[in-house]
Amino acid sequence: GNSVTQMEGPVTLSEEAFLTINCTYTATGYPSLFWYVQYPGEGLQLLLKATKADDKGSNKGFEATYRKETTSFHLEKGSVQVSDSAVYFCAPPGGTSYGKLTFGQGTILTVHP
Amino acid sequence: GAVVSQHPSRVICKSGTSVKIECRSLDFQATTMFWYRQFPKKSLMLMATSNEGSKATYEQGVEKDKFLINHASLTLSTLTVTSAHPEDSSFYICSAREKTGMNTEAFFGQGTRLTVV
Repeated sequence: GNSVTQMEGPVTLSEEAFLTINCTYTATGYPSLFWYVQYPGEGLQLLLKATKADDKGSNKGFEATYRKETTSFHLEKGSVQVSDSAVYFCAPPGGTSYGKLTFGQGTILTVHP
Repeated sequence: GAVVSQHPSRVICKSGTSVKIECRSLDFQATTMFWYRQFPKKSLMLMATSNEGSKATYEQGVEKDKFLINHASLTLSTLTVTSAHPEDSSFYICSAREKTGMNTEAFFGQGTRLTVV
């Protein structure tokens, strides 16, 4: 089945620093890839997605490019803010007939003023 | 995006009692719903996948008699924690998809903080 390996955290940055959270995947075929974000005390919400190779997903200043040659979907942001402090999850869709959605371990990001 | 509503957001119950958590898709029909459990500073552990009108598929190690899942309609799934104990205290999150398939995004509920005392 499909799976992801995500950079372990926690990651602590100062405001306006550059962020990279690595995510590599194994997959059958070329499924869509997703980054989800979880703010403290909340459920998950979709941050961005890419549906095919070389696609770049972007939202709220975050970007990730679906690179099939390196099987990667790294999340980047040029200048983080305190409000970006959250847990970030990289995910591919599942590969079973039920299409279950499993996650990597998540990366806790803390941004200090 | 589509909205998934999870209720209650927070519940405290006594050991030995049962607790029901509801997950509703408000503006779409969810063919598949997922239930996750999250421990502090840990990833989401998929507990089970439910498809409307059929029995849930539980992940290995999840007790199906303890965590009863019902997906009776295309907009509602429920998770009942039976005979809850303090070790069941956790953050439970549901997720719903409108369609099956590899490229369909999932929408998440707000989560339920369960505390068993």
